[in-house]
Amino acid sequence: QVQLVESGGGLVKPGGSLRLSCAASGFTFSDYYMSWIRQAPGKGLEWVSYISSSGTTIYYADSVKGRFTISRDNAKNSLYLQMSSLRAEDTAVYYCARDVMTNDYWGQGTLVTVSS
Amino acid sequence: QLVLTQSPSASASLGASVKLTCTLNSGHSSYTIAWHQQQPEKGPRYLMRLNSDGSHRKGDGIPDRFSGSISGAERYLTISSLQSEDEADYYCQTWGSGFVVFGGGTRLTVL
Repeated sequence: QVQLVESGGGLVKPGGSLRLSCAASGFTFSDYYMSWIRQAPGKGLEWVSYISSSGTTIYYADSVKGRFTISRDNAKNSLYLQMSSLRAEDTAVYYCARDVMTNDYWGQGTLVTVSS
Repeated sequence: QLVLTQSPSASASLGASVKLTCTLNSGHSSYTIAWHQQQPEKGPRYLMRLNSDGSHRKGDGIPDRFSGSISGAERYLTISSLQSEDEADYYCQTWGSGFVVFGGGTRLTVL
């Protein structure tokens, strides 16, 4: 069965960096576009970034452009999000999701807290 | 800019039906959307893809009680025979080249 497992979240100071990972299994990872989506406490869902199946096409939300970098390793069935220059407003649960069109499978999320 | 508008809240009685609405803004009425459910303290779950011709394709294991329909720029999610576990937040979502957009979500209360 399809599984997406995020890791790497934690507490980080403003201006700091963090790298999130998403381990995929149960499907041919290299066939799918993948997304990162976040949810601030008590708020709705916000798309962060997506990457094409080959990794050659990448887009970011304006709120993270220039600070976050999405990447993938198809040999390791893994998706990554490198976050830098973190701000308090980046505090959220970060989810990885399969297939940018429908986000038909989601991970359980990993919490990132940006606070001094 | 593409915007999806949802009512913040809805309520319906146990066993009844409810129809949730997601409205595409002007100029974007042909977009296909997806519906997601988020139960309290859980991650989102994909419900279905709802195409601009009104056809829909549900995710794995989604009960027949969940269905989708369209009218113009409005996209609907209908849940029949409401159960307590249907109490959740429901989000619509669409995409284009270079972006993904979510509606603000509708919190459904089952009375």
